[in-house]
Amino acid sequence: SQKIEQNSEALNIQEGKTATLTCNYTNYSPAYLQWYRQDPGRGPVFLLLIRENEKEKRKERLKVTFDTTLKQSLFHITASQPADSATYLCALGALNTGFQKLVFGTGTRLLVSP
Amino acid sequence: GAGVSQSPSNKVTEKGKDVELRCDPISGHTALYWYRQSLGQGLEFLIYFQGNSAPDKSGLPSDRFSAERTGGSVSTLTIQRTQQEDSAVYLCASRIAGGSYEQYFGPGTRLTVT
Repeated sequence: SQKIEQNSEALNIQEGKTATLTCNYTNYSPAYLQWYRQDPGRGPVFLLLIRENEKEKRKERLKVTFDTTLKQSLFHITASQPADSATYLCALGALNTGFQKLVFGTGTRLLVSP
Repeated sequence: GAGVSQSPSNKVTEKGKDVELRCDPISGHTALYWYRQSLGQGLEFLIYFQGNSAPDKSGLPSDRFSAERTGGSVSTLTIQRTQQEDSAVYLCASRIAGGSYEQYFGPGTRLTVT
């Protein structure tokens, strides 16, 4: 069966540390993968997109890696701040499900303590 | 400019009633998506409109759910004979045509079926 899995347990880290979130998928042929941030009571906000032929993307304190052999994406926030506390969702645009549509993971909640 | 707007923000209805949820996408965005997010769950794709093409309805959970998009802009999601399991946050997103797959989400409508 097709699955996109993110760690359902919250990730607690201290301010200034690097947060690393994981997204694993099975039985998808990815065209691209996106990461979104969602705050309580709000819709998701786009952060980064990485294509299937790219290994790494960076944007300010954010870094995404994509390993299509391991079928995994890692999302890193360096020098984390309490304001980074939110739920982070990965979303896959896959060739075998219609790449114009996104298939979302359930999200991982990040808590950054001062 | 204005983002994606949705109305109402909250809707409480009795089981068996019909409800209509509205989405106003960003002007010029030709693609429009509806998702459902239940408590602690990821976003579940419902339906996708792209320009004048026939919508992709593959995510609609039952024939009680329907959606239309008038004039390539505003969209309405209708749920007939609501059930308690329909209680969720319904999110709308829009996207510009072309190579960018970034989706812009509205704040959602929280539907509670009593």
